[in-house]
This record gives sequence, structure tokens and C-alpha cells, in this order.
Amino acid sequence: QVQLQQWGAGVLKTSETLSLTCAVNGGSISGFHWNWIRQPPGKGLEWIGEISQSGVTKYRASLKSRVTMSVDAAENQFSLKLTSVTAADTAVYYCARQRRTLIGLFYVPRFDIWGRGTPVTVSA
Amino acid sequence: QSVVTQPPSVSGTPGQSLTISCSGSSSNIGKNTVHWYQHLPGTAPKLLLFNNNQRPSGVSARFSGSKSGTSASLAISGLQSADEADYYCASWDDSLNGYAFGTGTMVTVL
Repeated sequence: QVQLQQWGAGVLKTSETLSLTCAVNGGSISGFHWNWIRQPPGKGLEWIGEISQSGVTKYRASLKSRVTMSVDAAENQFSLKLTSVTAADTAVYYCARQRRTLIGLFYVPRFDIWGRGTPVTVSA
Repeated sequence: QSVVTQPPSVSGTPGQSLTISCSGSSSNIGKNTVHWYQHLPGTAPKLLLFNNNQRPSGVSARFSGSKSGTSASLAISGLQSADEADYYCASWDDSLNGYAFGTGTMVTVL
């Protein structure tokens, strides 16, 4: 049974860099895309971006200038960095495995396995 | 803000059936399949339905989905107290070139 174990600093000050890592346990990081999703307090889920096993990334447009995702296949884990954080980045951050279905000419993604979430608070 | 909208809340009594609507546009639901997630606060979200109406292994047949045009819906039959959760629809959005979650619907079992 594949499980995602995530960790990282939970309290940051404005302008610092958020750094989270997600380890893939019980399975391989190969063959899948890996995603980060967050949920601000009292709000809904927000997709941050994805990274393939080979390191190809796709980021949410509004965060693109501050986000970097990386993958370490040898360690079977992937990471998220978000620079220059503000209070608006306060959220529970989830890592998730993406599965894809080929429909027509395009791959349609969905998230079938999630980490338990890491609460991150940004204060002044 | 999300480009896919849902009612903030719906409620029902045990055993009842209820439906959650999900309204999008031609760049997301109108063009791509819809997925539904169940989220109990403090836990990891769970994939409930994918590609409009497919249930992952282990998901109860009480959950079903449909899509028409730029809208989709999730139906829950035989409502149980364990179904109290937040439910999100989601779809790839070609204009955003990203994954779009709906605004979320809180289901309350009275």
C-alpha cells in the first residue's frame, strides 16, 4: 500500500522560504506525476503544481514566480519550495500522487493518494 | 478564486439521497472529465469518483456522478453520518493550464 509521508517547517516568518518534502513509501516514485495542493484556513483546495519523475514541472500561474518543485528518485521523494512567503501562504499543504487517463489526445489527471497534510503558518 | 463553483452546503437526513452540483465552463468541465474528492477536516482528501462517474476500488456504490455540458453532479444515496464531510469537484482547466478544484460543499447529516 503506497503511502505519502510529508514533513517540513510549520512556522515561517514573512519573506522566508517554505520547504516541504514528501516521501513515497511502499511504492516507486517512477511512473507517476507528483503534486502539491494546499488549503488556506476556511477555504477550499488549491492546486500548486506537479512534477514528473524526470523533473518536468508545471506550476499554478499565480505562484509560478515563487515555486520550485524537485524530485529525488534515489531517495524516492519529492519537494516543494515557495519563496518570499506572506500570510496569504498560510495553509495546510498536501502532497499527492497523480494518476492519469488518456482521453482522446490528452492525459487527464486525478489525485489518488494524498499525504496527511502539513500545516504551515506564516507570521510577520 | 475558483473558476468552478459549488453550493456552500447541503444537508439531509439518514437514509435520504442528496445531490451536489458543480458548475464550470467550457475550458474545464465542458472539455475535460470531472473528479470528486471527499475531505474530512484533519485528514487527507480521498478520491471519490474519477472521470465523471468511475469509482476507485473500495468506494461505496452509494456515490455516483454525472456530467452534462459544463456542469456535473455527485449523488449520495442512503445518506449516513459517516458521509459528513466537505466534497470538492475538480477538473483540468485548459485556460488556466492547471487543475481547478471547485469551491467545495459541506454535507451535513441532520
